[in-house]
Amino acid sequence: DIQMTQSPSTLSASIGDRVTITCRASQSISSWLAWYKQKPGKAPELLIYKASNLERGVPSRFSGGGSGTEFTLTISSLQPDDFATYFCQQYHSNPYSFGQGTNLEIK
Amino acid sequence: VQLVESGGALVQPGGSLRLSCAASEFTFSSYEMSWVRQTPGKGLEWVSYISHDGSNIYYSESVKGRFTISRDNARNTLYLQMTTLRAEDTGLYYCVRVTGVWGYFHYGGQGTQVTVSS
Repeated sequence: DIQMTQSPSTLSASIGDRVTITCRASQSISSWLAWYKQKPGKAPELLIYKASNLERGVPSRFSGGGSGTEFTLTISSLQPDDFATYFCQQYHSNPYSFGQGTNLEIK
Repeated sequence: VQLVESGGALVQPGGSLRLSCAASEFTFSSYEMSWVRQTPGKGLEWVSYISHDGSNIYYSESVKGRFTISRDNARNTLYLQMTTLRAEDTGLYYCVRVTGVWGYFHYGGQGTQVTVSS
C-alpha cells in the first residue's frame, strides 16, 4: 500500500502570507494526486487534481506542483476563508490513501 | 454534485447497519462511486469502491468480508451494508463520486455518523 505523509501537521500564518504544504508518497504515483480543503463541520472539497490542475471555481491563488513522490500545495496570498485543514490523496493504485492533514491556522 | 447520506446510528459492537446515499444533479449510472470515512484518530480512510455498473467492487482490508457495497442505478442510490461492526468502524461516512475509472473524489454531502459502542 502507498503511504502518504504531509508536512507540516500544523501551519500558522497571517493574511496575505504565501504558504506551502508538502505531501510525500512512499512510492512513485506519477501525477495521480489530489488536494482537498476541509472546513470544520463540512465535507472536504476538491481543490486540485492530477497534481497541478485547478478544479473549476477554485481561486487562482491555489496551485499544485510535483510528480513522482513529492508534491506541493501553495497558496500565494492567504485569505480569511483559507484557514482550514488540507489533505492530499493518491489515486495511483488500490487502495486509495490520504495524508494525515495539515491544519492551517491564523497566527 | 448532490449526495445525501443517511442511515448512520449508534449500534452495539457486532451489530449491523445499512447506509444509503441518494444522488442527484448528475447522471449517477455513468459514475463510479466510493465510500470514505473520517475519524479523529485515523483521518480520512477509503472504505469501498463500485464501478458504474456494479461489475467491479473493491474494499479496504479493514472492512473486507464485513461490508458490502451496492448500487441501484434506477433509484440513483448507493448503499453500504455493514455487519460485524467494531468500535474502530466509528466515524463519519461520506459517499463520493469518482472521476474517471479510478480517480479523484467529489464530495457532495455532509456524511452520516456511525458510532459503534456498547
